[in-house]
Amino acid sequence: NAGVTQTPKFQVLKTGQSMTLQCAQDMNHNSMYWYRQDPGMGLRLIYYSASEGTTDKGEVPNGYNVSRLNKREFSLRLESAAPSQTSVYFCASSETNIQYFGAGTRLSVL
Amino acid sequence: GENVEQHPSTLSVQEGDSAVIKCTYSDSASNYFPWYKQELGKRPQLIIDIRSNVGEKKDQRIAVTLNKTAKHFSLHITETQPEDSAVYFCAATDAEGGKLIFGQGTELSVKP
Repeated sequence: NAGVTQTPKFQVLKTGQSMTLQCAQDMNHNSMYWYRQDPGMGLRLIYYSASEGTTDKGEVPNGYNVSRLNKREFSLRLESAAPSQTSVYFCASSETNIQYFGAGTRLSVL
Repeated sequence: GENVEQHPSTLSVQEGDSAVIKCTYSDSASNYFPWYKQELGKRPQLIIDIRSNVGEKKDQRIAVTLNKTAKHFSLHITETQPEDSAVYFCAATDAEGGKLIFGQGTELSVKP
């Protein structure tokens, strides 16, 4: 039982490049989330998916897209990366209110 | 939407002292208030939570209190130890009850 697994752990991009962050959970949770964490700003919700087949915007969705591929997987895509998207990205899943986080992806955009 | 404010942003205490972190929230419909601990380079992990139908909850050295009227809740850590050093986040559910809105975090440092 791995919990929430994120790949990759680290990534460096050039401005304008695209990439997809992957997230998978093996806890059979309905809800999944993507956050970004920046110094002094806590965890800010980018997008979430309350159930398979649904996605909704969070606090900071601009510049991102998501796909809830199936119940297990929820991916985050940066179509044209910008330096402002340099951050640590966390995926989480929940069934009730309790959220379980992945280990994070540290992304640098140069 | 929900807004969560957390204070202080940094807190330094001597080992054995108590530490208190406070949060306020804006949406009176919020009904779930968790606290997460994040060690350096690690993922956030739930340490304690409280629902709006109770005013206090304890788990060994940590406790959380909730004042629904004033819309604030606090984390209390007693007999602090160096391994309590971490960033602590409070959160509150939004009006729909699904999403969590996090505070800005408190960096706690426990000096031996």
